[in-house]
Amino acid sequence: DAKTTQPPSMDCAEGRAANLPCNHSTISGNEYVYWYRQIHSQGPQYIIHGLKNNETNEMASLIITEDRKSSTLILPHATLRDTAVYYCIVRVAGLNTGNQFYFGTGTSLTVIP
Amino acid sequence: NAGVMQNPRHLVRRRGQEARLRCSPMKGHSHVYWYRQLPEEGLKFMVYLQKENIIDESGMPKERFSAEFPKEGPSILRIQQVVRGDSAAYFCASSPSTGDGYTFGSGTRLTVV
Repeated sequence: DAKTTQPPSMDCAEGRAANLPCNHSTISGNEYVYWYRQIHSQGPQYIIHGLKNNETNEMASLIITEDRKSSTLILPHATLRDTAVYYCIVRVAGLNTGNQFYFGTGTSLTVIP
Repeated sequence: NAGVMQNPRHLVRRRGQEARLRCSPMKGHSHVYWYRQLPEEGLKFMVYLQKENIIDESGMPKERFSAEFPKEGPSILRIQQVVRGDSAAYFCASSPSTGDGYTFGSGTRLTVV
């Protein structure tokens, strides 16, 4: 079962920063926050992940609150190609459960010209 | 270095037929995961396999569905006696170990008519 809560949809003007929030109030100490996106029913694409420190890569930044109960994915300069469904996922870790991710319904981001 | 390869991309089956979906993991990856995405829903975990072993099949329907990942060749998701409710996108992901993130394939879209 998904352990995250995201707004169902958001709009963002092209060229502006897109800030996508995620609540994960029941996250455990050894669980990571992952972000994936799915563009028009393609396979999900990895964006970024983190444990407790803020992370940045060439695609995005991830800001995790100090209590780790929420996080924000930031796309610094959104383009039309960033229109997609964004999934915030808490990774379930365990010796015998494998590495499966639980996807919720995500946030449908629309970048507007 | 090819990504996760799934075939066919689209598959149409009549009710009662069998569907076979294939997934070739990324080179060097020995862990395979299958997910199903029903229309307008998020991805749902089905099964996690390593070579010749099913590690976690907690998301698999109890009947008609089976999966294998033989020593040689791709992983196969098999659906017997398909029904209209099996129509969905089926995604495969692979990873080099349980500690790493996934890479997803482009999916197989099954339509049962």
